[in-house]
Amino acid sequence: GQQVMQIPQYQHVQEGEDFTTYCNSSTTLSNIQWYKQRPGGHPVFLIQLVKSGEVKKQKRLTFQFGEAKKNSSLHITATQTTDVGTYFCAGNASSNTGKLIFGQGTTLQVKP
Amino acid sequence: DTEVTQTPKHLVMGMTNKKSLKCEQHMGHRAMYWYKQKAKKPPELMFVYSYEKLSINESVPSRFSPECPNSSLLNLHLHALQPEDSALYLCASSQGVARVYEQYFGPGTRLTVT
Repeated sequence: GQQVMQIPQYQHVQEGEDFTTYCNSSTTLSNIQWYKQRPGGHPVFLIQLVKSGEVKKQKRLTFQFGEAKKNSSLHITATQTTDVGTYFCAGNASSNTGKLIFGQGTTLQVKP
Repeated sequence: DTEVTQTPKHLVMGMTNKKSLKCEQHMGHRAMYWYKQKAKKPPELMFVYSYEKLSINESVPSRFSPECPNSSLLNLHLHALQPEDSALYLCASSQGVARVYEQYFGPGTRLTVT
């Protein structure tokens, strides 16, 4: 079945350093979503990418969707302690089911 | 109101108990979801309801029984659970399933089966 691989599993950074997490799908995705889950919290939607090669920015966060629509990345510039949490990518297996295939997540720890 | 609410927040139940988890949204969303999440793992889809009809059952054991009484409510009935069913149960909703929409997650019910 379709799989979405996400690396790294964990990342520890010093506050102010940059951070990147990567997602790769075994098949072409119609779109990809990114969610953030704070410790003890629930996933919160960050963004959705639909177009091949799409790049979107949200303040210090930059999201990219690969040209082949099989990979994506989330880059955080100058991390802050508020960025702590687990970041999940989620690909859409089929555009009319609502079913998301989640990556394993990258847990970010930021040392002040 | 962009909130999905879930009750209870915590639940401890024995293997012979019957309990229900409840989820509610008032965003007019027509798709609702149940996920199971184990520690340090991603959410794992269990069920999808679209327009109050069950559209996806991810081969979930029958001891989990979903119900969608109306477009705002989603229940998960639990019976004869096993200790390995202990997890965070998340409800989510989205505008629909015909297109890809963002999903809004509730805070979850942390379930412990003893």
